[in-house]
Amino acid sequence: GENVEQHPSTLSVQEGDSAVIKCTYSDSASNYFPWYKQELGKGPQLIIDIRSNVGEKKDQRIAVTLNKTAKHFSLHITETQPEDSAVYFCAASMKSSYKLIFGSGTRLLVRP
Amino acid sequence: IAGITQAPTSQILAAGRRMTLRCTQDMRHNAMYWYRQDLGLGLRLIHYSNTAGTTGKGEVPDGYSVSRANTDDFPLTLASAVPSQTSVYFCASSETPNHEQYFGPGTRLTVT
Repeated sequence: GENVEQHPSTLSVQEGDSAVIKCTYSDSASNYFPWYKQELGKGPQLIIDIRSNVGEKKDQRIAVTLNKTAKHFSLHITETQPEDSAVYFCAASMKSSYKLIFGSGTRLLVRP
Repeated sequence: IAGITQAPTSQILAAGRRMTLRCTQDMRHNAMYWYRQDLGLGLRLIHYSNTAGTTGKGEVPDGYSVSRANTDDFPLTLASAVPSQTSVYFCASSETPNHEQYFGPGTRLTVT
């Protein structure tokens, strides 16, 4: 079945620096790749997503890149701020099943 | 508009007892999902429903059942709770399968 691996599990950066989180997926039929941010005590919230017909997508300080050949995708956060501190999850879904398979999460800490 | 609501917020349950977690959405979304979140394991799909009247099994369906009698409600039932079902449970919905999923605030369940 589909498997999604996410690295690193924890990431600490200085405010203003960039943060990169990487995910790999196993099923080449996957075609939808969302990223979620989860703050303490809350449900996950979508921050950006990308589909397999696109290689890169940006939204202000956040960008996602997709390499279908290598089956990996990454989240890039630039000019990090303390409020970016949270747990981030990647996920992948196949068009055939529409099920989202999540990575294990990355705890991002932005130091003021 | 409330989005997705879940009840209860938290619950302590004795092993062997029956429990139903409630989930309601007011966005008229066709698809709904139940996930459990355990430390270090991310979110795992328990059951899903692509449209009212249909349900399907996710990654970890054993010990759980769901029903989808109408568009808005998607209750999750534990017929006989066991300690390994201690977790945080999230309900989610999306307009159609393979689209952005919106998550509820979660139910923290402890089975003793």
